[in-house]
Amino acid sequence: QSALTQPPSASGSPGQSVTISCTGTSSDVGGYNYVSWYQQHPGKAPKLMIYEVTKRPSDVPDRFSGSKSGNTASLTVSGLQADDEADYYCYSYAGGKNLGVFGTGTKVTVL
Amino acid sequence: QLQLQESGPGLVKPSETPSLTCTVSGGSITHSAFYWGWIRQPPGKGPEWIGTIHSSGGTYYSPSLKSRVTISVDTSKNQFFLKLTSVTAADTAVYYCSRFNWNALFYDYWGQGTLLSVSS
Repeated sequence: QSALTQPPSASGSPGQSVTISCTGTSSDVGGYNYVSWYQQHPGKAPKLMIYEVTKRPSDVPDRFSGSKSGNTASLTVSGLQADDEADYYCYSYAGGKNLGVFGTGTKVTVL
Repeated sequence: QLQLQESGPGLVKPSETPSLTCTVSGGSITHSAFYWGWIRQPPGKGPEWIGTIHSSGGTYYSPSLKSRVTISVDTSKNQFFLKLTSVTAADTAVYYCSRFNWNALFYDYWGQGTLLSVSS
């Protein structure tokens, strides 16, 4: 099972938007609406930001949004803030007894 | 507030079989809607799913690690465990335990992680 493909880096100025892609196959991202996104600050555990492609936990600001088209899911962070600077990972169910695979990760830099 | 805490040996030698423990507090491990998972993250790399267990004992393992991994649970202690056989340097990573929402297939609560280093 190969990791989902994400761009290594993305950046934007404060107040701008950045979109991160997560590309898989029809066996994972494209086959199910079970894509989640995690934010990870250095030395910390991942934090859930999006689940089931578009849903946000109650403690995540609405600046974070998710979408999916075909085999590619995306996370958009609007109104960039300094604290959004972190690594972001996608995760997708991969079918049957394979509960899932993570993405390669994207480092978001706030310029 | 649900909390998870990993514990383990820290440093082991190649070929050993370390065990890690995850202690869950602030909630019961027997809630039917949730599974409990292990995820690891090698230094500088992305997370990797290892395996997931239900309090009833049902388990799911990553195909790439299935032959070396055993996950078990002790509901009386609100703990679950990871055993990894024949470790090599490639198994050096921060190991996280996490709660897995079975209805929507995502991890919502995570422990702080414990570093397992494999070195002679």
